[in-house]
Amino acid sequence: GAVVSQHPSWVICKSGTSVKIECRSLDFQATTMFWYRQFPKQSLMLMATSNEGSKATYEQGVEKDKFLINHASLTLSTLTVTSAHPEDSSFYICSAGLTGTHTEAFFGQGTRLTVV
Amino acid sequence: AQSVTQPDIHITVSEGASLELRCNYSYGATPYLFWYVQSPGQGLQLLLKYFSGDTLVQGIKGFEAEFKRSQSSFNLRKPSVHWSDAAEYFCAVGGGYQKVTFGTGTKLQVIP
Repeated sequence: GAVVSQHPSWVICKSGTSVKIECRSLDFQATTMFWYRQFPKQSLMLMATSNEGSKATYEQGVEKDKFLINHASLTLSTLTVTSAHPEDSSFYICSAGLTGTHTEAFFGQGTRLTVV
Repeated sequence: AQSVTQPDIHITVSEGASLELRCNYSYGATPYLFWYVQSPGQGLQLLLKYFSGDTLVQGIKGFEAEFKRSQSSFNLRKPSVHWSDAAEYFCAVGGGYQKVTFGTGTKLQVIP
């Protein structure tokens, strides 16, 4: 199946700094990628849909100025958590899929963000 | 709006016993249904999927699931659980194009 790579796997940052997470489709092109967040012992919640060459679409309640998404190429989407605070500590995971219907999303390995 | 309900937060089974994890969904059209497994601190692995056709789908690691439209269910089953199956299992629904809504998850514990 298709491979989605996410980097870094884990990151610790100081409160007030920004952190960038990369999501790459390694062997296919993805015009659309998705970013999810998972708080401890909870399910995955969709944060935003990343569209290549255009603005991301954010889910209700997600601050677009805080979670900056850039999808500059067909194989790379980035999520930047700006001015991170401890409450932003979470597991962030991206997904992408092959074009067309009857396909499933392939998930990255996830990024564990800890803000201290 | 689409939604998924996994009524069992935590299930404990003995190794070698059979397993059934429940999943009910709400979706306005024909759903795409998925089961994912997540080990602690890890990403998601797709166990199986249903798009159309045969309502009994086979997945990896000996898992299967049955789509029942009349009950809006997509329960996951395995005839004999192995200790390595201990993990968290997520049911998900989507409408294609890869965007999915996840259930709250069921944590499976396997005892010797």
